[in-house]
Amino acid sequence: DTAVSQTPKYLVTQMGNDKSIKCEQNLGHDTMYWYKQDSKKFLKIMFSYNNKELIINETVPNRFSPKSPDKAHLNLHINSLELGDSAVYFCATRARQGMNTEAFFGQGTRLTVV
Amino acid sequence: AQSVAQPEDQVNVAEGNPLTVKCTYSVSGNPYLFWYVQYPNRGLQFLLKYITGDNLVKGSYGFEAEFNKSQTSFHLKKPSALVSDSALYFCAVRFSGGYNKLIFGAGTRLAVHP
Repeated sequence: DTAVSQTPKYLVTQMGNDKSIKCEQNLGHDTMYWYKQDSKKFLKIMFSYNNKELIINETVPNRFSPKSPDKAHLNLHINSLELGDSAVYFCATRARQGMNTEAFFGQGTRLTVV
Repeated sequence: AQSVAQPEDQVNVAEGNPLTVKCTYSVSGNPYLFWYVQYPNRGLQFLLKYITGDNLVKGSYGFEAEFNKSQTSFHLKKPSALVSDSALYFCAVRFSGGYNKLIFGAGTRLAVHP
């Protein structure tokens, strides 16, 4: 069983479209994240949810909207896609919000906007 | 500002030789330090972490890292490199006051040659 699974793995879409990426975890973790990895492999946090509550919302365009229907899911919806949104998006989870627990990552969703 | 630096874009080492991947950090308060590895087209995998206690921490796949408070460093090491260790390595830090978010370094590509 994959602990943190993302769908789809690859997504190619045209500029202006709206798309969603889904994340599901079966670890029972309280905290979930979305990270963006750009073409230079730099990783930056976008959002963090703890028990379905938004905790971190970095400087991300409001075209990006996370949604957590329950503790096991954190989806990322992107409106009006732009070329610069092309990246790999990673979902991650952590057991609790404390300082000393490590994060578990999904395999990533490679988004290509054409 | 809180930050993590990985000064080398790439590290090349011959199989069987020891390897070091460097990481320095700048945070206020006590740092919580992590190393992750990313294989091609995969998500990040946790290797090891320093929370408190012994400065030398051991992790997965024979890796270890040494926390040096005076030099604000957390270098990743392995006594004998394998070709299969070739991957992208990320150092990350968590600090109090930052909603426990994980800040990543830019990554270092490790290439182990037969």
